[in-house]
Amino acid sequence: AQKITQTQPGMFVQEKEAVTLDCTYDTSDPSYGLFWYKQPSSGEMIFLIYQGSYDQQNATEGRYSLNFQKARKSANLVISASQLGDSAMYFCAMRGFNDYKLSFGAGTTVTVRA
Amino acid sequence: KAGVTQTPRYLIKTRGQQVTLSCSPISGHRSVSWYQQTPGQGLQFLFEYFSETQRNKGNFPGRFSGRQFSNSRSEMNVSTLELGDSALYLCASSLDPGTNNEQFFGPGTRLTVL
Repeated sequence: AQKITQTQPGMFVQEKEAVTLDCTYDTSDPSYGLFWYKQPSSGEMIFLIYQGSYDQQNATEGRYSLNFQKARKSANLVISASQLGDSAMYFCAMRGFNDYKLSFGAGTTVTVRA
Repeated sequence: KAGVTQTPRYLIKTRGQQVTLSCSPISGHRSVSWYQQTPGQGLQFLFEYFSETQRNKGNFPGRFSGRQFSNSRSEMNVSTLELGDSALYLCASSLDPGTNNEQFFGPGTRLTVL
C-alpha cells in the first residue's frame, strides 16, 4: 500500500515569488510514479508534472519543477514566479508498479497574493 | 481532442434513492478510474476498468458499483444513497495504466444527498 503525506494544509505566497509544496511518500514498490495535480475551485484535477522512481533527473514542466529525493522519499513541487491563477489546491499522488489507482495526499491550498 | 466528460455535473438526491453517473474518456483511452472526494476523507479510489473489466476496487461498500462499455464509456451507480455519499465524484482516463501514464480527469459530478 502507498501512503502520501502533505503536511502543509495551506500556504500564502506573494505574486512572482516561488513556493515549495512538501510531499513525502511511503511504498514498498521498487518502481512507482509520482504525480502532482492542481485543483482550482471549479473542481477539475489538472495534471502538472510526473516523476518516475528510476528517473535520474528531476522533472520540470514550465514553471513547475519536482525536487525528487528518493532516499528521503520526498517529491516536493516548486512553483516559480507565482501567478494569481496558481491559487488552488495542490495534490501529490503516487501509483505503484502495476497498480491501477492513484493514492493521493490530503492536499495543500495555495493562495497567491497580489 | 476532447477531454474527459462527465454527466451530470450536479445532482441532488434524497436518502434511499439511487444514482447513476456517466463518464466518457478521452478518445483512445481504455482505462477509466473513479474517485470520490469529500472534505473529510479526501480523494479515495473507487474502482478502475480496462476493456470492460474491473481490475481494482477500493474500500467501498457494495452499494457502489460500476461498469464499462465496449466504447470505453463508464458508469458508476450508487444505490440506497446515504448522507455521507455527498461528494465530488471524479472520473479519470488513461491510455494504459502503466506507472508513467498520467490520468486525465474530468470536471466531476457533484452529488448532494438530502
